[in-house]
Amino acid sequence: RKEVEQDPGPFNVPEGATVAFNCTYSNSASQSFFWYRQDCRKEPKLLMSVYSSGNEDGRFTAQLNRASQYISLLIRDSKLSDSATYLCVATALIFGKGTTLSVSS
Amino acid sequence: AAGVIQSPRHLIKEKRETATLKCYPIPRHDTVYWYQQGPGQDPQFLISFYEKMQSDKGSIPDRFSAQQFSDYHSELNMSSLELGDSALYFCASSPRGGNTIYFGEGSWLTVV
Repeated sequence: RKEVEQDPGPFNVPEGATVAFNCTYSNSASQSFFWYRQDCRKEPKLLMSVYSSGNEDGRFTAQLNRASQYISLLIRDSKLSDSATYLCVATALIFGKGTTLSVSS
Repeated sequence: AAGVIQSPRHLIKEKRETATLKCYPIPRHDTVYWYQQGPGQDPQFLISFYEKMQSDKGSIPDRFSAQQFSDYHSELNMSSLELGDSALYFCASSPRGGNTIYFGEGSWLTVV
């Protein structure tokens, strides 16, 4: 079983939709979590860190549930430019396989 | 702002040859990570260095080796290349006391 599990999608949503991704992790000792965005054939870019108290950055909200060992990413009012693969990361070492989001007009 | 610099950006090698990838971390970042990303795969952690010492080891093949130098740049040496080594190799760095990693643009290795 992979240490970080994500639904690979693809998630196909219309512009303006709200979409949520979940990611589960198996190592309860993991301390830091992140969401990265990766465009095709490009490097992963940090989208946001994930804190236990939850954090929000514009249309993006990330949450961590330590008891259930999952993290989530909520994207509101989806834009065409949000189309990408979203990777959840536990510490710096373990990546999920990524969830592909495709936003259409 | 300065980013992680990787070179070369593209590399074509034949089977059984050797390749070396270089990585220059963001200034004042003391930790370097190497990842391998195959087609349609997530980045797989290979190895990391902190203050020039190996800090963690992932799924790095025995044919590969890496080191971090006194100026904090790092090199990934790959020998006896196999077709399956064809991938995008990312280097990333993180700052002293921090745990957020920043990626370079990657080096595309094609083994033919």
